Amino acid sequence: EAQVTQNPRYLITVTGKKLTVTCSQNMNHEYMSWYRQDPGLGLRQIYYSMNVEVTDKGDVPEGYKVSRKEKRNFPLILESPSPNQTSLYFCASRGYGEQYFGPGTRLTVT
Amino acid sequence: AQSVTQLDSQVPVFEEAPVELRCNYSSSVSVYLFWYVQYPNQGLQLLLKYLSGSTLVKGINGFEAEFNKSQTSFHLRKPSVHISDTAEYFCAVTNSGGYQKVTFGTGTKLQVIP
Repeated sequence: EAQVTQNPRYLITVTGKKLTVTCSQNMNHEYMSWYRQDPGLGLRQIYYSMNVEVTDKGDVPEGYKVSRKEKRNFPLILESPSPNQTSLYFCASRGYGEQYFGPGTRLTVT
Repeated sequence: AQSVTQLDSQVPVFEEAPVELRCNYSSSVSVYLFWYVQYPNQGLQLLLKYLSGSTLVKGINGFEAEFNKSQTSFHLRKPSVHISDTAEYFCAVTNSGGYQKVTFGTGTKLQVIP
């Protein structure tokens, strides 16, 4: 079954404590993205990757890092989380004409 | 640069009534268009997509949308809604050809009233 998995699904952390949200896809897609969803703002792209070792900033990259060492994995790293990064995060993997989304990670930074 | 506008943030509608959720986009090149649905506390699911061909696109759960290039619109319609259609709906656009960025609208919450 084609799918995008994310872990963890829920995370509560404190300001400044580094965290990583993992994302993995089993469709051999080259293009992957991270989005954050906030009420009234829709989904905004944080970072995207066109292929292994090829990443670029989206609309709201500040405070985030990504890496793409393998085709299937695209982790999102928050080096020093702050409360304004409290949000719902989605990883997506894109095939021809369609994006497949992970189930989401709800992050709370206190 | 591309953009998507969903003018209605909330749309209340009675059960079994028809509904239209509006989406307008802006792009200087050819586009692909999508509608996604997000049920409460769930991820995003693709409802339908327009890539090329017929401008009337049929999707899952009885939804359809029509691509209107002259009006740069891609409105979503359903002739008779059910309680289970209560969800948030997102329109999205990307430039056609290659792996281009996908831009989402701010979403429309559909509330179906019994």
